Amino acid sequence: NAGVTQTPKFQVLKTGQSMTLQCAQDMNHNSMYWYRQDPGMGLRLIYYSASEGTTDKGEVPNGYNVSRLNKREFSLRLESAAPSQTSVYFCASSADRFYGYTFGSGTRLTVV
Amino acid sequence: AQTVTQSQPEMSVQEAETVTLSCTYDTSESDYYLFWYKQPPSRQMILVIRQEAYKQQNATENRFSVNFQKAAKSFSLKISDSQLGDAAMYFCAYRSWYEDNDMRFGAGTRLTVKP
Repeated sequence: NAGVTQTPKFQVLKTGQSMTLQCAQDMNHNSMYWYRQDPGMGLRLIYYSASEGTTDKGEVPNGYNVSRLNKREFSLRLESAAPSQTSVYFCASSADRFYGYTFGSGTRLTVV
Repeated sequence: AQTVTQSQPEMSVQEAETVTLSCTYDTSESDYYLFWYKQPPSRQMILVIRQEAYKQQNATENRFSVNFQKAAKSFSLKISDSQLGDAAMYFCAYRSWYEDNDMRFGAGTRLTVKP
């Protein structure tokens, strides 16, 4: 099915470990986004990519890096995980502002 | 920067009845888009309804409708004939018409549907 594929769905890391969250969309969307969801805070933007080859910081970029590998793929990397990064992470893509986002199924990350 | 406020952390409704979820936003822009997303326990974010600010007519999608009050910067969601499957977190979101950046989300309202 067409949409946004996000892996893994669950992950437990130890403090200081690194990992990459993968995201791919097959809808030919230009824009892709990474959000984190924390209780009582809604979704907050980490990084976004308006087009292939460009990335920009969002509201909470510290501790993260991203790569827009091609039009389809947008990965999020945690270089040295911290307990404050325990969260649910969502990747999303968008063709146009009118249509809103199509979301991936989310990754629940726990850092111990 | 635009902000979105959902003042009701939790709401409950009896099955088959109607419930309204509130959302207000702060912006200096005249054109923008507003959205309601549903997040069931599966965690998947599902678009419920959208509204263009330049349209005066309130959007409707089956049992879901909005009350868009541009001057008051209010965008409430009405769910009619509530069903057990409507139980979820609901997020209100704002997106600029002018800037090609992100969507701003409220903190969410958890809706419980009682049988």
